[in-house]
Amino acid sequence: AQKVTQAQTEISVVEKEDVTLDCVYETRDTTYYLFWYKQPPSGELVFLIRRNSFDEQNEISGRYSWNFQKSTSSFNFTITASQVVDSAVYFCALSEAGYQKVTFGTGTKLQVIP
Amino acid sequence: KAGVTQTPRYLIKTRGQQVTLSCSPISGHRSVSWYQQTPGQGLQFLFEYFSETQRNKGNFPGRFSGRQFSNSRSEMNVSTLELGDSALYLCASSLGTSGGPYEQYFGPGTRLTVT
Repeated sequence: AQKVTQAQTEISVVEKEDVTLDCVYETRDTTYYLFWYKQPPSGELVFLIRRNSFDEQNEISGRYSWNFQKSTSSFNFTITASQVVDSAVYFCALSEAGYQKVTFGTGTKLQVIP
Repeated sequence: KAGVTQTPRYLIKTRGQQVTLSCSPISGHRSVSWYQQTPGQGLQFLFEYFSETQRNKGNFPGRFSGRQFSNSRSEMNVSTLELGDSALYLCASSLGTSGGPYEQYFGPGTRLTVT
């Protein structure tokens, strides 16, 4: 069975601080995909990134970066110079390759204080 | 491109009744997935439809069912509603073709309250 653990339930940071959201996953599959989604207060989940298990390169997109470490089964997400608009619940998710059956973590609620 | 739309947005039903929720995916997307989101259980996968066929299924009782039409629009049905079915039901669409799973685009959800 697949499992995604986001141990941080809630994080509060002051604007412009950097923050890292942790994600640890469990799977027996050799090929799988990892995702991050953002759910702002408005409620609609927004896709952030998709990464397959063979691609361990870190990725940077503006103020967002992701660190994928297969050895520790982690796929952490860092926001640099956080802004109030980053306040949201962030979900890490996992799916076996070839299947659109996604297991979500419980989410980390990030509050950025101005 | 229009996003994923879900109707209705809010619904109040009584225990024992049944309900049908509707989802229209992004144009060109052939996969539609349904999720239940509750404060206690989080986001849980219900099922996925692709080309009118249920391709994947989560661990929900048979009271939860769905279907997909030839235009990729999907409906989910919950029969014999229970109080515990109160939740936000999210629909997500994706390409669904081989090489996946692909990123999903979510609708705003239907907030179901069972009294």
